[in-house]
Amino acid sequence: GENVEQHPSTLSVQEGDSAVIKCTYSDSASNYFPWYKQELGKRPQLIIDIRSNVGEKKDQRIAVTLNKTAKHFSLHITETQPEDSAVYFCAARSYGGATNKLIFGTGTLLAVQP
Amino acid sequence: KAGVTQTPRYLIKTRGQQVTLSCSPISGHRSVSWYQQTPGQGLQFLFEYFSETQRNKGNFPGRFSGRQFSNSRSEMNVSTLELGDSALYLCASSRDRAADTQYFGPGTRLTVL
Repeated sequence: GENVEQHPSTLSVQEGDSAVIKCTYSDSASNYFPWYKQELGKRPQLIIDIRSNVGEKKDQRIAVTLNKTAKHFSLHITETQPEDSAVYFCAARSYGGATNKLIFGTGTLLAVQP
Repeated sequence: KAGVTQTPRYLIKTRGQQVTLSCSPISGHRSVSWYQQTPGQGLQFLFEYFSETQRNKGNFPGRFSGRQFSNSRSEMNVSTLELGDSALYLCASSRDRAADTQYFGPGTRLTVL
């Protein structure tokens, strides 16, 4: 079945450093890859997404890269700040025919040390 | 535009009971998906509703069911509750089935005692 692997499960960085989270998906039909940030006790918030016809997308300090051949996609956060501390989830969307669902990775707890 | 809303925010039930959770999507959004979030299993897809019809179902037992109304609001029902059903239940809405961006509600925290 569809599966998304996410690494690392925890990540601690110093303020100002960069953070990278990596995901691998199994369903070659996946065509959309969002990243969600979830702070403690709050809902997942979409922070950036990428579609299968694009290799890279950037939004200020956040960027996402996609390698369709290897079925890898990654989240890059530069100049990290304490408010970036949260759990980050990657997801892959399978869409086609009767299928339309997001498959989530297991999450990465990012801690930014001031 | 108001975001996705869910009621109730918290529920405490005992084993064997049943529960109904409600989700109101963003105005104009017609697709609603439900997810279960637990520390051990992460975010798992439950089902998707569009045009009052269940279009997709995840790998959950038949005790989990749902429906969607003509105004796109959705409910999910869990019957014969088990301890393992304790979780945060999240719904997410998108404009339609083709639209890929999903926006999450705040969730309903269900505790089964």
